[in-house]
Order: sequence, then C-alpha cells, then structure tokens
Amino acid sequence: GENVEQHPSTLSVQEGDSAVIKCTYSDSASNYFPWYKQELGKRPQLIIDIRSNVGEKKDQRIAVTLNKTAKHFSLHITETQPEDSAVYFCAAPPASGAGSYQLTFGKGTKLSVIP
Amino acid sequence: DGGITQSPKYLFRKEGQNVTLSCEQNLNHDAMYWYRQDPGQGLRLIYYSQIVNDFQKGDIAEGYSVSREKKESFPLTVTSAQKNPTAFYLCASSIVAGETDTQYFGPGTRLTVL
Repeated sequence: GENVEQHPSTLSVQEGDSAVIKCTYSDSASNYFPWYKQELGKRPQLIIDIRSNVGEKKDQRIAVTLNKTAKHFSLHITETQPEDSAVYFCAAPPASGAGSYQLTFGKGTKLSVIP
Repeated sequence: DGGITQSPKYLFRKEGQNVTLSCEQNLNHDAMYWYRQDPGQGLRLIYYSQIVNDFQKGDIAEGYSVSREKKESFPLTVTSAQKNPTAFYLCASSIVAGETDTQYFGPGTRLTVL
C-alpha cells in the first residue's frame, strides 16, 4: 500500500512569514494529492489539491508543488496569519485498481503562527 | 461538507459494550469512509464503501463493523473486541467518478470508554 511521510510534525512561524510543509509518498502511480486543514476539535477541510498532470497549483496565499520524480509534494503558505494556525494533513491514494478511492494520510503538521 | 452529519457528537461507553456511530450524507455521493483519529497518528482508514451493500476493510478494521443498506447512510459499530476504542471518529464521502476524488468530512464523534 501507499506510505505517506509528512514533515515537520510541528512548525512555528512569525506572522507574515511563509510556512512550508513537505510530504513524500511511496507509490509512483499515485495521481491525486490533497491537503486538509483541521482546526482544534473540528473536521478536516480541503484547502487545496493537485493532480499528477500539473506541477504547481495556487489559490491566493496557498500553493502546492508536486515533484513526481522525487515523489514528494509540498504545501506553501505565504503571508501567514494567526487564523492559519491549525493541523495540516497531506494524503495520497494507492495505485489505481481495487481500493483506489482510498487515501493514506500523513501524520499531520501542527502549524502555529505567532502574532 | 455541510451535507455530512454524524451523531452523536460525544459518546461514552462502558467496557464490553457495543456502540453504533451514525453517519448520513445528502450529497448523493457514492463512496463513504470511516476514519479513526488519535493524537499524533493522523487519520487511519477503518472501512470504506463504494456502493450500496458493499464495503471493504481498511487498515484498522479489527473490532469494527459497518453496513451500507442505503446510499445516504454508513453506520459504524465499535464492538467490545476493539481493545482501545477511545478516539475521534470521522466519516467522509466522495463521488466515485472513475478516479480518486475529493473526500468531504463530517464533524466527527468523540468516543470515550469509561
């Protein structure tokens, strides 16, 4: 099955600085990479995703980059704000075929933005 | 994700009891999933279902059971065989369109074993 590793597990940044979270995956056939944000006690919410046919995707202050050769993808948050403080999860699916609708999640990164 | 509901929000169980967690969606999604979340462990897949009357085990299915009698509903039963059931349980759903698609989560149920 898929193995997803996420780093760092905790990240503190000053307000206004950038934050980068990186995930590596094991299955070279994986083709979909979402990022979720989870505030304390709340449900995970999708903030951005990327498919394997593109290398980068942006949505305002958030961007995701994908390196298929190295099998890693990263979340970039620019001009961080206190409301960005949360736990962020990356995910990747296994190879296509039976069970391809599954996602394997990283263990999460707790981001703290210091005012 | 507002179309996925879970109940109850909090659940307390005595050791040796079975409990059932409810998950309902009105998004007309074909696939539904159950995850368990423990501190520092991320989300781990318990069971998933792609269509009615069919479901598959995930990575940590032991001690759990599910049913999918209706498209809208995917209840999870935590049995007494689950050794450490205290956790935050999340239900999710997605469209099945021939490829991996976005999963939307419910608000979760926090289960505590007394």
